[in-house]
Amino acid sequence: DTGVSQDPRHKITKRGQNVTFRCDPISEHNRLYWYRQTLGQGPEFLTYFQNEAQLEKSRLLSDRFSAERPKGSFSTLEIQRTEQGDSAMYLCASSWVESEQYFGPGTRLTVT
Amino acid sequence: AQSVTQLDSHVSVSEGTPVLLRCNYSSSYSPSLFWYVQHPNKGLQLLLKYTSAATLVKGINGFEAEFKKSETSFHLTKPSAHMSDAAEYFCVVKPSGTYKYIFGTGTRLKVLA
Repeated sequence: DTGVSQDPRHKITKRGQNVTFRCDPISEHNRLYWYRQTLGQGPEFLTYFQNEAQLEKSRLLSDRFSAERPKGSFSTLEIQRTEQGDSAMYLCASSWVESEQYFGPGTRLTVT
Repeated sequence: AQSVTQLDSHVSVSEGTPVLLRCNYSSSYSPSLFWYVQHPNKGLQLLLKYTSAATLVKGINGFEAEFKKSETSFHLTKPSAHMSDAAEYFCVVKPSGTYKYIFGTGTRLKVLA
């Protein structure tokens, strides 16, 4: 089963450090989404790619967050100068055009 | 502004009894609406979706939802709960003209033996 994969699954970092997460979508999917989920909340939309183009980005996303999808396949999400408030589960999802989103298992980030 | 409200953070039902998880949405234009389920330590899975076709939508595992435009609601139901239905359920709205999916805060369903 070649579903959406995310790496790493867990990341512990110290405040002020930079972190990068990777998402590998289902191979034929052209759409890719990043979400953030904190305890007791639903996933919060961060950004959306169609192929390699970043078409939508949440206004809640600060300048410390950046995402790329250089060849329209895998994507990376980088957080610079991490803060304790960045501690959350970061989810990636992919889909083909308007079809169902398939979610990855997430990367749990803990900022100490 | 578009938003989605799940009216109950926790719902408990006995096994074999009906399930009702309530969701209200706010959206400027005709949205797409979804229900997702998240089992512990598992990824989010789509239960069903409404995209302006039939107002009564059937999903997996016996779940269904009815789109009521006049009430701006999209409640999730199941006639008979099973122990395996215990999970977190999210109502999601995707306003037309955007790629943004807006999740509710979730309803945790507990099924009692």
